[in-house]
Amino acid sequence: QSVLTQPPSASGTPGQRVTISCSGSSSNIGSNTVNWYQQLPGTAPKLLIYSNNQRPSGVPDRFSGSKSGTSASLAISGLQSEDEADYYCAAWDDSLNGRQVVFGGGTKLTVL
Amino acid sequence: EVQLLESGGGLVQPGGSLRLSCAASGFTFSSYAMSWVRQAPGKGLEWVSAISGSGGSTYYADSVKGRFTISRDNSKNTLYLQMNSLRAEDTAVYYCAQTRLYDSSGINWGQGTLVTVSS
Repeated sequence: QSVLTQPPSASGTPGQRVTISCSGSSSNIGSNTVNWYQQLPGTAPKLLIYSNNQRPSGVPDRFSGSKSGTSASLAISGLQSEDEADYYCAAWDDSLNGRQVVFGGGTKLTVL
Repeated sequence: EVQLLESGGGLVQPGGSLRLSCAASGFTFSSYAMSWVRQAPGKGLEWVSAISGSGGSTYYADSVKGRFTISRDNSKNTLYLQMNSLRAEDTAVYYCAQTRLYDSSGINWGQGTLVTVSS
């Protein structure tokens, strides 16, 4: 079971806006920034959003991130077929066991 | 262009050891932290370990603490993961990633190397 909680699946039609949630706690999202990754089938993960809402160079502005309290969200507007992929959130987690990175279980996005 | 090339994966028996390597190019290696992230077949991503640019700070997931050791050789632009006491549940594709330590973001990723722990 993952420390960060994501819905296992999401879907939308081309052109729609889709959001994916990521829920954590005070030791991770509540006190650290959130990153989002996109993993296309059969490929390595790719950084999509870092530090809650920053896009790396080359990532379309259709992708946006936000954070509030112990939850974060990834929004994809103008959904395209090539957005069909798995999406993961991640953040530092500061606990008694020390500092570790925790991931969400991933959300499989289907473009209908 | 940043390139990360993992190697060293393969089939190993339970209780055995393996050392993974990640050869980096296209950036100033010593200026960046590096991480290992794994993905079991058909499963999600699991962070394994991270190391600062100097190598002076290391971080481990509870699941590998005491069994895995992360290290780097900045003169060779290479990251390592020494894996001991391997278990079936360590079976996964292991990715190395160029990392920003302050927010843990994996900026660039390699293509991964498969580790299979089985008798």
